[in-house]
Amino acid sequence: EAQVTQNPRYLITVTGKKLTVTCSQNMNHEYMSWYRQDPGLGLRQIYYSMNVEVTDKGDVPEGYKVSRKEKRNFPLILESPSPNQTSLYFCASSSSDRANVLTFGAGSRLTVL
Amino acid sequence: AQSVTQPDIHITVSEGASLELRCNYSYGATPYLFWYVQSPGQGLQLLLKYFSGDTLVQGIKGFEAEFKRSQSSFNLRKPSVHWSDAAEYFCAVEGEGGGNKLTFGTGTQLKVEL
Repeated sequence: EAQVTQNPRYLITVTGKKLTVTCSQNMNHEYMSWYRQDPGLGLRQIYYSMNVEVTDKGDVPEGYKVSRKEKRNFPLILESPSPNQTSLYFCASSSSDRANVLTFGAGSRLTVL
Repeated sequence: AQSVTQPDIHITVSEGASLELRCNYSYGATPYLFWYVQSPGQGLQLLLKYFSGDTLVQGIKGFEAEFKRSQSSFNLRKPSVHWSDAAEYFCAVEGEGGGNKLTFGTGTQLKVEL
């Protein structure tokens, strides 16, 4: 089954404790991206990647890092999480840069205390 | 920069009734428009999209949407709502620059009364 898999689905952590949210897709898509969803704000793009070793900032990249060492994986790294990063995070992938449908993961709910 | 407005935060309809969810966008050129649905605890699933051509587009689960350039709108409709349609609905626009960057509206939460 074609899918985007995120882990963990739920995480509670404390301020400053580094964490990584993994994302993997099995569709051989070149394009991957991360979004965060907050009440009243919809979804906003954090980072995206056009291919291995090629990444760029989205609208809200502050406090996040990403890497794309393999085509299928696109982890989101929070080096020093803060409470304002408490959110629902979605990874998505696509076969093209534009005018294409994104396949979303099921989401990762992160709480930073 | 593009923007999307979904003026209705919550909508409640009776099962079997018709539904229309509003979406207005701001974008200089012809946009690529999407409607996604999010069920509780799930990711976003595409309902339908508009890229060009016929302004009335059909999607999955009996949904349709009409692109009206003069009104900058892309409203979602369904003639008869089922209880399983209860979910949150997001309108999105893809502007220039690519990067899989969608600008989403704030969402409309649909409740269906039996």
